[in-house]
Amino acid sequence: QSVLTQPPSVSGAPGQRVTISCTGSSSNIGARFDVHWYQQLPGTAPKLLIYGNNNRPSGVPDRFSGSKSGTSASLAITGLQAEDEADYYCQSYDSSLGLSGYVFGTGTKVTVL
Amino acid sequence: EVQLLESGGRLVQPGGSLRLSCVASGFTFNNYAMNWVRQAPGKGLEWVSEISGGGGTTNYADSVKGRFTISRDNPKNTVYLQMSGLRAEDTAVYYCAKDDRHFPTDGFMDVWGRGTTVIVSS
Repeated sequence: QSVLTQPPSVSGAPGQRVTISCTGSSSNIGARFDVHWYQQLPGTAPKLLIYGNNNRPSGVPDRFSGSKSGTSASLAITGLQAEDEADYYCQSYDSSLGLSGYVFGTGTKVTVL
Repeated sequence: EVQLLESGGRLVQPGGSLRLSCVASGFTFNNYAMNWVRQAPGKGLEWVSEISGGGGTTNYADSVKGRFTISRDNPKNTVYLQMSGLRAEDTAVYYCAKDDRHFPTDGFMDVWGRGTTVIVSS
């Protein structure tokens, strides 16, 4: 059961900018735990895309950026390319009564039109 | 090169048991916590369990607590997931993922294996 909510899908034409929201609560994102993002290309394992809210690992294009505010976070993809078509997941840490551990978002499928 | 290689997934009957393994290479294994994450067919990612670098601290998702046990053998660079009381809803690809820190809190998973498939069915 995901505690972080994402839109099921977003789409855009090549070159456009799309954003994916990730909504949590006071026990995870709102508790100042960092948000991280993963990209999962079809048929492959997830890959770390953004860590610590807005940091890109080596090799990730600067077209990808992250932000966080309050109980939500966002991933932005600018200059959308065909190879960006994938599923994207946010992830944080949750510490509440009866639950303590990592949590993932529901996932968002990005389609390049 | 940092790598994780899972194994052990197979078809198992409901109520059965299975042990998954994940062998790590390319980094100092005992310096990092390790995680298991699963993905049911056509579904999203679900964190399953985590273990600290030294093995002394473990944590589980509510959905598997009391049925799954995570452990590690640092000299063998291997993390395990012992699964018992398996249910149809445990059917998934199970990924092993390296944590970015020694103790699993407020971290992220920077290296993932390719996964191993567990199917629970009669």
